[in-house]
Amino acid sequence: QQQVKQSPQSLIVQKGGISIINCAYENTAFDYFPWYQQFPGKGPALLIAIRPDVSEKKEGRFTISFNKSAKQFSLHIMDSQPGDSATYFCAASLTSGTYKYIFGTGTRLKVLA
Amino acid sequence: NAGVMQNPRHLVRRRGQEARLRCSPMKGHSHVYWYRQLPEEGLKFMVYLQKENIIDESGMPKERFSAEFPKEGPSILRIQQVVRGDSAAYFCASSPQPNSPLHFGNGTRLTVT
Repeated sequence: QQQVKQSPQSLIVQKGGISIINCAYENTAFDYFPWYQQFPGKGPALLIAIRPDVSEKKEGRFTISFNKSAKQFSLHIMDSQPGDSATYFCAASLTSGTYKYIFGTGTRLKVLA
Repeated sequence: NAGVMQNPRHLVRRRGQEARLRCSPMKGHSHVYWYRQLPEEGLKFMVYLQKENIIDESGMPKERFSAEFPKEGPSILRIQQVVRGDSAAYFCASSPQPNSPLHFGNGTRLTVT
């Protein structure tokens, strides 16, 4: 199965709060899981990525948690800011294949000031 | 170092016309991917090309759509005899090698009237 399921579809968080976005996949061969941030009218920009040999990766306020047995991974945005308001996409790929990304359907995040 | 350049940013075509979308990858990148994004949806893989070769076109409709990445010049996504359902944002991404993160352009928004 090539699907990546993403939830929630939309999310509203108060400034300073924690934003959590979840993704699930079925293909156990996937071995690279990036998150992208997209602002209106722009292309997706790589935010952070993880490989399945680690359970967590942190970069600044952004953390990926990875649960290999459950085939799930999530993005946590700590101390959310209004400037974080954007659409977030998770993705999965096979680095041994053509490396094409299978994207989730996106989460529209709004951080209230 | 300029990012992935796509042009035009906006393209309006009448039904039955041809649409040509251009993508210049980042300097040093020889791998190009095309994705389509419909409103409120994620990005759908269309085709993966290396210089002068189509590596994976499993996501591209069999009819009316074609892609190329010549030895010199940009990658071209060509849609013949456009229909209203082709209206979408088309994104190009590039990478220096297959096992590297993808860098996206800002897309071409195609509107078919």
